[in-house]
Amino acid sequence: AAGVIQSPRHLIKEKRETATLKCYPIPRHDTVYWYQQGPGQDPQFLISFYEKMQSDKGSIPDRFSAQQFSDYHSELNMSSLELGDSALYFCASSLRRDEQFFGPGTRLTVL
Amino acid sequence: AQKVTQAQTEISVVEKEDVTLDCVYETRDTTYYLFWYKQPPSGELVFLIRRNSFDEQNEISGRYSWNFQKSTSSFNFTITASQVVDSAVYFCALSAALNTGFQKLVFGTGTRLLVSP
Repeated sequence: AAGVIQSPRHLIKEKRETATLKCYPIPRHDTVYWYQQGPGQDPQFLISFYEKMQSDKGSIPDRFSAQQFSDYHSELNMSSLELGDSALYFCASSLRRDEQFFGPGTRLTVL
Repeated sequence: AQKVTQAQTEISVVEKEDVTLDCVYETRDTTYYLFWYKQPPSGELVFLIRRNSFDEQNEISGRYSWNFQKSTSSFNFTITASQVVDSAVYFCALSAALNTGFQKLVFGTGTRLLVSP
């Protein structure tokens, strides 16, 4: 069965650079969630989209923005990267805001 | 506000021992779901179980069992006859279920389980 695809799987950036993470939901899923997991921490909700509209927002920094496109894939854009942004970023998808299925995550390292 | 507490930061056991991971939650929602996820060293989140607030029946799946007690707001997870491959971080999570659908997942801080041979 198709799963959630995240790209890239690993990303290394310098401070103050920008990064774009991509999430391709399970086919027919219309809802996408983004979570950030810092080292040794639990995943924290950032933002979610339902039918291409933002549906909920968590503790997402103003330097981050995200959107969901017409094909339901989503991108998380991060600017002015800081060392503290180093984390595992998970995307999850669901159908009509039912059970969430997680992708493998993107590991971002900021040097 | 929702909150999930996993008081055990790390548990070490020897293979074949039984181990219980505790999870206590807080929510004002009447309808909600509780989850357990496993995160092995490779980093992915592996879904283990989902329980809704109206179903307090305990569940057993192989060596895994779950005890949901609404009266004490607890959703504990037991691994019977632990194996080295069970070594991972285990997260308990909570999601409200409104008429608009599932909401965001709120995770506990996780319990690291180390199973030694």
